[in-house]
Amino acid sequence: KAGVTQTPRYLIKTRGQQVTLSCSPISGHRSVSWYQQTPGQGLQFLFEYFSETQRNKGNFPGRFSGRQFSNSRSEMNVSTLELGDSALYLCASSLAGPYSGNTIYFGEGSWLTVV
Amino acid sequence: ELKVEQNPLFLSMQEGKNYTIYCNYSTTSDRLYWYRQDPGKSLESLFVLLSNGAVKQEGRLMASLDTKARLSTLHITAAVHDLSATYFCAVPNYGGATNKLIFGTGTLLAVQP
Repeated sequence: KAGVTQTPRYLIKTRGQQVTLSCSPISGHRSVSWYQQTPGQGLQFLFEYFSETQRNKGNFPGRFSGRQFSNSRSEMNVSTLELGDSALYLCASSLAGPYSGNTIYFGEGSWLTVV
Repeated sequence: ELKVEQNPLFLSMQEGKNYTIYCNYSTTSDRLYWYRQDPGKSLESLFVLLSNGAVKQEGRLMASLDTKARLSTLHITAAVHDLSATYFCAVPNYGGATNKLIFGTGTLLAVQP
């Protein structure tokens, strides 16, 4: 079956711009989470959506936002980009979310470089 | 706040040797995830441990969970070069609607021929 699809895979943006990243979860999965991975901070939770509702948000500024559509596809948006936003953004897909014990599958990620 | 610690952070080992990666976490959880990440790649699910005493094995890797000790181990048997990667453990944040994974710092495994 198809895995978790993230687009775009690579992008370069300028400080102050905004970016939108997209994630299509595995068919039938209703939970989509986003994580940021950097060498300094490791893997950090951004937010989790389930059936179009944001259930959790991590400790990130309001410039980071997201949404989930009725087909479970999700987007995250970062406005007013800063150099420190350069990271690998990973989308995770599961049937019901991390505490359910279902396997959580990750997409290939979107590599964002802010210059 | 849940904290997850892994050790060692870096492990260089020879092919054919055995070793164990440790994952400690600070608050109650009865489930834990292990992932593998190759350089420049995403996270590949290795194991989902769902109860105290759970043990799962896949090839040369075996993971176990002791919820009383808040400890999981990933044991590598007779390492081969293909196992070189970064390994992460992750614990779901405990309680109700809180649904996020807290990741450990990762263990970079380098298997030398």
